[in-house]
Amino acid sequence: SQTIHQWPATLVQPVGSPLSLECTVEGTSNPNLYWYRQAAGRGLQLLFYSVGIGQISSEVPQNLSASRPQDRQFILSSKKLLLSDSGFYLCAWGLVDQFFGPGTRLTVL
Amino acid sequence: GIQVEQSPPDLILQEGANSTLRCNFSDSVNNLQWFHQNPWGQLINLFYIPSGTKQNGRLSATTVATERYSLLYISSSQTTDSGVYFCAVGEYNNNDMRFGAGTRLTVKP
Repeated sequence: SQTIHQWPATLVQPVGSPLSLECTVEGTSNPNLYWYRQAAGRGLQLLFYSVGIGQISSEVPQNLSASRPQDRQFILSSKKLLLSDSGFYLCAWGLVDQFFGPGTRLTVL
Repeated sequence: GIQVEQSPPDLILQEGANSTLRCNFSDSVNNLQWFHQNPWGQLINLFYIPSGTKQNGRLSATTVATERYSLLYISSSQTTDSGVYFCAVGEYNNNDMRFGAGTRLTVKP
């Protein structure tokens, strides 16, 4: 069966610091991978998706970036965090329907 | 882009009651999913249902694609059903899924 992992589970970072969130999927090959952000009490916003290694599509221009160095690894990064980057970050995989990881709760102070 | 509206935004039920959640979308879709987000933030797939009717235990869903809406039915609700229910739709494939704002369900014992 397929499983999806995200880490860290929670993160508190100062404004201006870098960010690296990691997502890995097990039990499937060449999945589509997604990064979403959820602000407190809100719905999900698609940030990036990837259909293969090195292929990244951005939905929202911002100071975040994504990379897919391996087939089942998806990384969300920032060089300098903003207060507005706080939120709940969810990674998902899917070929037809989407399945979500447990999420990373990021607080930028 | 496609607009997704969910209603009601909030719903409070007594344990054992039935409920219907609605998702309206503004254009034709090829993909529609219902999710439950539990109090810990985990998004759980309920149904992949771009058309037709499906049932899984106390939950069932119906999508009438020609009329651009989907309904999620919860029967004999339990306190563990509490959380936020999201509808997500995609026009062409699952790389452009758009989420509604969700329905927050509270089931009281």
